[in-house]
Amino acid sequence: QKEVEQNSGPLSVPEGAIASLNCTYSDRGSQSFFWYRQYSGKSPELIMFIYSNGDKEDGRFTAQLNKASQYVSLLIRDSQPSDSATYLCAVKSGGGADGLTFGKGTHLIIQP
Amino acid sequence: DAGVIQSPRHEVTEMGQEVTLRCKPISGHNSLFWYRQTMMRGLELLIYFNNNVPIDDSGMPEDRFSAKMPNASFSTLKIQPSEPRDSAVYFCASSSWLQPQHFGDGTRLSIL
Repeated sequence: QKEVEQNSGPLSVPEGAIASLNCTYSDRGSQSFFWYRQYSGKSPELIMFIYSNGDKEDGRFTAQLNKASQYVSLLIRDSQPSDSATYLCAVKSGGGADGLTFGKGTHLIIQP
Repeated sequence: DAGVIQSPRHEVTEMGQEVTLRCKPISGHNSLFWYRQTMMRGLELLIYFNNNVPIDDSGMPEDRFSAKMPNASFSTLKIQPSEPRDSAVYFCASSSWLQPQHFGDGTRLSIL
């Protein structure tokens, strides 16, 4: 049974600070890792994806992957109130077109 | 570019009725995924297709659920007969090979 674990939160962060979201996964064969943002009542929106160990940066977002520890994280720098949402970590086993296994998400609140 | 299009956006029906959800993937995407989201279980993969062929339907909860993809631009998810526990938000997503999945706006289904 493939599992993806996230702290449900809420995680409360002051505006302008760094928000750190974490995720662990059970399947050592996992190849691809994704972070989706979901606003209440909306669909998941892709934020970042990472395939290799290390860091990947895109604007204010940095994804970090450590396959040995089976750990993925998302850092949001200069947090804005508009970043308040649920962040879903997702894992894919294969390199091709396989379905995603999602964590239940972390609810992030950015306090003005 | 048009994203993944789902219909209807909302469906309310009585227990025992047949429900059909529809999805049009992004043009050029050859993989299509159906997910279900509930508060208790989070976002779960139901079934996915590659090049219109069902690849993995292990997430389909019961025989009451069926999915088809008659061509590259259309898929249906059918529930017959529907039950109150089927109430959830159903998402369709599509991707091309090695690319991340993009989600539609979802269908909010309520079975009374």
